[in-house]
Amino acid sequence: ETGVTQTPRHLVMGMTNKKSLKCEQHLGHNAMYWYKQSAKKPLELMFVYSLEERVENNSVPSRFSPECPNSSHLFLHLHTLQPEDSALYLCASSQWEGTEAFFGQGTRLTVV
Amino acid sequence: AQSVTQLDSHVSVSEGTPVLLRCNYSSSYSPSLFWYVQHPNKGLQLLLKYTSAATLVKGINGFEAEFKKSETSFHLTKPSAHMSDAAEYFCVVTPGGAGGFKTIFGAGTRLFVKA
Repeated sequence: ETGVTQTPRHLVMGMTNKKSLKCEQHLGHNAMYWYKQSAKKPLELMFVYSLEERVENNSVPSRFSPECPNSSHLFLHLHTLQPEDSALYLCASSQWEGTEAFFGQGTRLTVV
Repeated sequence: AQSVTQLDSHVSVSEGTPVLLRCNYSSSYSPSLFWYVQHPNKGLQLLLKYTSAATLVKGINGFEAEFKKSETSFHLTKPSAHMSDAAEYFCVVTPGGAGGFKTIFGAGTRLFVKA
């Protein structure tokens, strides 16, 4: 248990659905991250929030929309996804940007 | 420019034999270096980190890594593999003074442990 909790653990959604992934940390960290992990590809950083402000958006399609309402919570809102978006989505947090990150267990997303 | 290269996509060892997972990095600044482990369908767990203190870093589960600036390497080792070590391992570099969005993950090395 790393102190970073992601829900749901598994999600199957159709291409026209809207869903949200949730991440929660109570480690007192100031930075939170969304990563995408696809089979046979390196881990891809999607979004970085530092002190609740988005500091990086790595050319992620607009069908992925992050939200950070406070320093403990991070959401990833999903709409009109494609089958190639099926992947493991990992949330992480760190004390500050660039310090060691603590990862959640991930949400296994399948788009049908 | 920063980069990290894990030299082997797969490594297979027998239980009780040494483990060596190789990582080379490139960084313009004094980097921080990390090794993470990921078991199937789980998140990543920090094994150890180097942040410009001792060059030989000890981590959890008997793993250690040595920072060699002259070779730009940060190889992960363990004297004796255990079946539970079978997982994917990621070498990670964060350039000194940069933000988290500059953190770079290696492609990963999958470790197989044979009985």
